[in-house]
Amino acid sequence: DAGITQSPRHKVTETGTPVTLRCHQTENHRYMYWYRQDPGHGLRLIHYSYGVKDTDKGEVSDGYSVSRSKTEDFLLTLESATSSQTSVYFCAISESWTTQETQYFGPGTRLLVL
Amino acid sequence: QKEVEQNSGPLSVPEGAIASLNCTYSDRGSQSFFWYRQYSGKSPELIMSIYSNGDKEDGRFTAQLNKASQYVSLLIRDSQPSDSATYLCAVTYSGGGADGLTFGKGTHLIIQP
Repeated sequence: DAGITQSPRHKVTETGTPVTLRCHQTENHRYMYWYRQDPGHGLRLIHYSYGVKDTDKGEVSDGYSVSRSKTEDFLLTLESATSSQTSVYFCAISESWTTQETQYFGPGTRLLVL
Repeated sequence: QKEVEQNSGPLSVPEGAIASLNCTYSDRGSQSFFWYRQYSGKSPELIMSIYSNGDKEDGRFTAQLNKASQYVSLLIRDSQPSDSATYLCAVTYSGGGADGLTFGKGTHLIIQP
């Protein structure tokens, strides 16, 4: 398995509270991604990073922010959690973004917003 | 519009038979195609990638790509109960950068003992 960990693995929170999810990799890959997976929607890209302090928005970025201060860590923050953000969140990494580059996924974080 | 379409299933196949999973995509310029397997409650894991027309074999798995028909498939020979999972098709769109990988919603495969 690619060296990717996510924390926490499970979280229950209340509407309106801030939440931060962490992705940590030991592969020294330049690219990191945050996806959410919901029934009926599949995997959707939230944000991605192409280097330290270099990030960009994905398909479903509203309500989320990210930060990457070190190569190995990529943080996803829900500034004020809403019930619609209840989901499973996956972090992924890749060495580059070329079209033949494979993305490897972390174990996921299950978030429930009450 | 990036679209990757898969039949959601469930697709039920008897043990030992061939399971055939299909995927269509909307962008003719797409260049890279991936099949991921996802067990319930787990993360997606890559099982096959294919970049040119034709077949690519890896053990019991064969990926087939037909760019003219915008169609990619995954065949699983000698299906085993451990193959029961959701299979995700992913496509890299032409002109896409790091945000260019688009996933289908997945096909749920059940191998019946």
